[in-house]
Amino acid sequence: DVKVTQSSRYLVKRTGEKVFLECVQDMDHENMFWYRQDPGLGLRLIYFSYDVKMKEKGDIPEGYSVSREKKERFSLILESASTNQTSMYLCASLTTRGQETQYFGPGTRLLVL
Amino acid sequence: AQSVTQLGSHVSVSEGALVLLRCNYSSSVPPYLFWYVQYPNQGLQLLLKYTSAATLVKGINGFEAEFKKSETSFHLTKPSAHMSDAAEYFCAVSGGTGGFKTIFGAGTRLFVKA
Repeated sequence: DVKVTQSSRYLVKRTGEKVFLECVQDMDHENMFWYRQDPGLGLRLIYFSYDVKMKEKGDIPEGYSVSREKKERFSLILESASTNQTSMYLCASLTTRGQETQYFGPGTRLLVL
Repeated sequence: AQSVTQLGSHVSVSEGALVLLRCNYSSSVPPYLFWYVQYPNQGLQLLLKYTSAATLVKGINGFEAEFKKSETSFHLTKPSAHMSDAAEYFCAVSGGTGGFKTIFGAGTRLFVKA
């Protein structure tokens, strides 16, 4: 059974803190994604990675960075958390071997005070 | 550029009634189209997908969707709603010039009344 896990389900941080969100997939997928989900806006792509140490900006990369040192792990970093980064963060992975289906983790609900 | 429009941020139906969630897309090339479902406090899971085979696609939990190129639509239907169908539904498009990047609609929350 395919699995994408995220390090925390709920997180509360203070403005200015550095925040790490981790995502691990066990499917040997090449591609991994970080989205944020806000009511009425659907999912918006922050960053994605198509290989180890490779990353590409998505639609809303400002205030975020990512790291992919191993194929199974993709980390999202908020360098200095701000209140407008309060959101649900979803990680997903995808193989390019003909399936086109993204597999999602359960999400991390982040509150920045 | 690809885009997805879901008509109606909230849809309410009675248990046993037809479910119809609307999705229109724009894409300059034949796309892959998806419907994902998100239950409360969970991630998204795939309901069904269209990948240029049959235009009527059957998914899990009795849902199906029909790809209509002339209308650029991919509406999701289920003949008889069940209480457990209450969730948020996302239409999405990928492929073509967007590569494997997926564009999601804003979502439609489905309420099912007893």
